[in-house]
Amino acid sequence: DAGVIQSPRHEVTEMGQEVTLRCKPISGHNSLFWYRQTMMRGLELLIYFNNNVPIDDSGMPEDRFSAKMPNASFSTLKIQPSEPRDSAVYFCASSTGQGISGYTFGSGTRLTVV
Amino acid sequence: GEDVEQSLFLSVREGDSSVINCTYTDSSSTYLYWYKQEPGAGLQLLTYIFSNMDMKQDQRLTVLLNKKDKHLSLRIADTQTGDSAIYFCAVSGGYQKVTFGIGTKLQVIP
Repeated sequence: DAGVIQSPRHEVTEMGQEVTLRCKPISGHNSLFWYRQTMMRGLELLIYFNNNVPIDDSGMPEDRFSAKMPNASFSTLKIQPSEPRDSAVYFCASSTGQGISGYTFGSGTRLTVV
Repeated sequence: GEDVEQSLFLSVREGDSSVINCTYTDSSSTYLYWYKQEPGAGLQLLTYIFSNMDMKQDQRLTVLLNKKDKHLSLRIADTQTGDSAIYFCAVSGGYQKVTFGIGTKLQVIP
């Protein structure tokens, strides 16, 4: 398995533009998580899905952020409109959701909003 | 909710042992993890321990758990420059949600 695949690896966009981050979880994993990592706040859970259904989106900072999981092999995180303070590394992770399995993380998308 | 705390930075000399500490608040935490993040990469599961264990050893890594004090530590023996990374403590109640600490940056001085 190729692991959790995120795209793009880097994204530079202008303030006000829409940004879409993509994630392909590991096949067979039924839980998917979106995290944001910054120097100031560390790793923040934004939202997670179980069996494609959003379970907890309390970490989504504002209505500008939205996430979807249309099927078991794909998820998106969208920011519209983007702001400079959204600049961070965004990680997607997946797990079997059972016991000690832990999470498998993607390599992240480094977002810079100028 | 669950809170996981770690120190931000640790510097050690190559060949010495490193000890990274973590405290958590939820006594019902069932699974406790250590993740490693190398520059430009995602987090990678390094090791884990069940809450009914006191210690787990895996080659150069030793995990110690003090449930009474809700304290978890990771010891790396014979620390190498390749161990330089950010180490995250994480805990879970057994369901899906894992809570991560802010991460401890380990710097290994040659």
